[in-house]
This record gives sequence, structure tokens and C-alpha cells, in this order.
Amino acid sequence: AQKVTQAQTEISVVEKEDVTLDCVYETRDTTYYLFWYKQPPSGELVFLIRRNSFDEQNEISGRYSWNFQKSTSSFNFTITASQVVDSAVYFCALTPEGGGNKLTFGTGTQLKVEL
Amino acid sequence: NAGVTQTPKFQVLKTGQSMTLQCAQDMNHEYMSWYRQDPGMGLRLIHYSVGAGITDQGEVPNGYNVSRSTTEDFPLRLLSAAPSQTSVYFCASSYAGVRQPQHFGDGTRLSIL
Repeated sequence: AQKVTQAQTEISVVEKEDVTLDCVYETRDTTYYLFWYKQPPSGELVFLIRRNSFDEQNEISGRYSWNFQKSTSSFNFTITASQVVDSAVYFCALTPEGGGNKLTFGTGTQLKVEL
Repeated sequence: NAGVTQTPKFQVLKTGQSMTLQCAQDMNHEYMSWYRQDPGMGLRLIHYSVGAGITDQGEVPNGYNVSRSTTEDFPLRLLSAAPSQTSVYFCASSYAGVRQPQHFGDGTRLSIL
């Protein structure tokens, strides 16, 4: 069985602060893929990043960065210099290789960025 | 491209009524899935399909039926709606293989009274 835990239910920050969203996962599979999705107040789900279990390099995309640590089963997401437009619910998800692309989601973290 | 299209966007049903949520994609994706989103529980997989004619159950399949007669369409049927099925439903599609990110529709907000 797989499990994704996002222990932070809600985070509030002031604009321009850095914020890290935590994601811890459990799986018995040796090959798997991790994802982050953003759900803004309008409700759609927006794909942010995919990482496979063999690639532990950190990734940076603009103000977004991801830290994958297989040793601690974590795939954390950092937003640098947060903006009001970053306010959303962020989901971490997991699927095993050969899993038919079936995602197991965490419960999400609500990020509120205030002026 | 329309991407993944879900209809309707909103629906209110009475307990015991039946309903079909429509999902269509125009990207020739092999994989399609249905998820439900409930407060505090994230998204949970209901049913999925890896191609036309092939479907299987996800984590929470009870009370829902699916079929996949074409690559493009993957309808979700509620045969006898129950208040516990009040939720937001998302359809997703992707090319075959886990390397491909899933594309989600905009969701259907369903209320069962």
C-alpha cells in the first residue's frame, strides 16, 4: 500500500517570505514517481513537477524548487519570495512504475499568502 | 485544444436518483481516471482505464460504474445517488506510462440531498 502525508494542513505567510511545503511518502516499490499539483481558488488542478525515484537532483523552476530525499522518503516544495498568486492548495502525489498512472494523493496543504 | 472536458460543472440530485458525469478528452490519451475530492481527504481514485474496453477499480469504487467504449470518453455513472457521494469529481487523462503527467478536467461539483 502507498501513502502520502502532508502534515501541514494550512500555512499562512506574508508576501515575499519563503515557504516550504512538506511531503512524506510510503511505498514498497523500488521505482516510483512523485508529483506536485497546485489547485488555485478557481478549483482546477495544475501540474507542477514530476520526479522519478532514481533522480535525486534538486530542481529549480523560477521561484519554485523541489528537494527529493529518498533516504527520508520526502519530496518537499519550496516557494521563494512568495506572492499572493501562490495562494492555493498544493497536493503531493505518488504512483509506482507500472501502476497505470494511478495517483495516490496527500491531503493537501492550503497556502495563504497575504500582503 | 479542449483538453479534458467535464460536464456538467454543477449538479444537485436527490437521494436515489441516477446520474452520469461526462468526461471527454481530445488528446488521444490512453489512460483515463476518475477521482473524488472531499474536504481534508485529498483526491481519491474511483475508477480508471488504460484503454478502450479496459477498466478497473480504484480506492473508492462502491456506488459508481464506468465504461470505456471509445478512447475519447470515460463516463462515470451513479446508479442510486447517496448523500455520501456529495463531492467534487475530477476526470484525468494521460498518455500511457507513469512518466506522463495527468491532465485534469475542471471538475464537477455534485450535491446529493
